[in-house]
Amino acid sequence: SQQGEEDPQALSIQEGENATMNCSYKTSINNLQWYRQNSGRGLVHLILIRSNEREKHSGRLRVTLDTSKKSSSLLITASRAADTASYFCATAVQGAQKLVFGQGTRLTINP
Amino acid sequence: KAGVTQTPRYLIKTRGQQVTLSCSPISGHRSVSWYQQTPGQGLQFLFEYFSETQRNKGNFPGRFSGRQFSNSRSEMNVSTLELGDSALYLCASSRTPDYTEAFFGQGTRLTVV
Repeated sequence: SQQGEEDPQALSIQEGENATMNCSYKTSINNLQWYRQNSGRGLVHLILIRSNEREKHSGRLRVTLDTSKKSSSLLITASRAADTASYFCATAVQGAQKLVFGQGTRLTINP
Repeated sequence: KAGVTQTPRYLIKTRGQQVTLSCSPISGHRSVSWYQQTPGQGLQFLFEYFSETQRNKGNFPGRFSGRQFSNSRSEMNVSTLELGDSALYLCASSRTPDYTEAFFGQGTRLTVV
């Protein structure tokens, strides 16, 4: 089974509101990353948080990581229509040369 | 700086045929990995190469194979195609082998009919 589980599977909010997505994983990781995908195209790297970090910011993005609970959250503030996409968390598992992805959250921003 | 280039972008094949997909990583990136994305299974890891060596392989049948060339370009091959192989195949390259940041191509959409 996949390493990451994301919640919710789908999220629909109004433009300007904040969006929060959660990710849980199962084993020890080196880092956790968030990616965005528009309409079945390639993935775009958003932000990386290392296993020894608890919170990280990048523009309107805030990521938290709780290694004791094996979970992470991605907060997008002041959402825009252009943020409509699928968001995936990916973990770089210790000892494995690969990223393990969650099922993703489909985010829809309504104007 | 050019991104990760995957060719072709779209492909339609018949069951039983074979297919080869190509990936050119970002210049200077020596690590290339491949993923299969389907609506039902999500993003599944296929294999990863670093300096022409396959370091990791996902749980896929032997019909799926790949290789990496000395210039870091990579190809993956699927033989005896099945309907279930229809998917978006994504290639990612990374400058470092520990995947601190992976850059993805636009993918190849394979449809098997």
